[in-house]
Amino acid sequence: AAGVIQSPRHLIKEKRETATLKCYPIPRHDTVYWYQQGPGQDPQFLISFYEKMQSDKGSIPDRFSAQQFSDYHSELNMSSLELGDSALYFCASSSGGGLHREQYFGPGTRLTVT
Amino acid sequence: AQSVAQPEDQVNVAEGNPLTVKCTYSVSGNPYLFWYVQYPNRGLQFLLKYITGDNLVKGSYGFEAEFNKSQTSFHLKKPSALVSDSALYFCAVRGTVIYNQGGKLIFGQGTELSVKP
Repeated sequence: AAGVIQSPRHLIKEKRETATLKCYPIPRHDTVYWYQQGPGQDPQFLISFYEKMQSDKGSIPDRFSAQQFSDYHSELNMSSLELGDSALYFCASSSGGGLHREQYFGPGTRLTVT
Repeated sequence: AQSVAQPEDQVNVAEGNPLTVKCTYSVSGNPYLFWYVQYPNRGLQFLLKYITGDNLVKGSYGFEAEFNKSQTSFHLKKPSALVSDSALYFCAVRGTVIYNQGGKLIFGQGTELSVKP
């Protein structure tokens, strides 16, 4: 079965640079979530989209922005990168935003800021 | 605010023995509870969920979880552990009670399960 695709899988950037992470949800999934997982930590919610509209916002820095496109893929744009942004970034998708829907996670993008 | 807690950082079990990974929750309204497993350098895999109905929920790979409303717990269980079950387990609760308002997951701290031969 098709899964959530994230690209790139690994990314190395320097401080103050920008990065763009991409997420391709499972076909026919219309809801996308972004999470950040620091070393040894639990995933923290950043932002979500339902039917191309932002549906919820978590602890996402103002330096980050995201959007969901007409084909339902999503991009997380990160600017003025800081060392503390080094983390594993997960995208998850679900069919509908209903509370009973489980989220399916991609393999993650490991971002290293040097 | 919705939250979950996993009181054990690590659980050690011998292969073939039953295992339990504990989770307690705090929610306003009906709880929507989930268990996920994370293998090293991998994404989170969905195991099971409790939405409503039977308190014993069966999921993937032989795992099950028992919802206990009076104790506000949702412990993950498996009758006979395998070495391949060794991984990081996360309990999660839905962070909002508004339909189609994102439904973010709020995770517990995670429990490292180690199954020894």
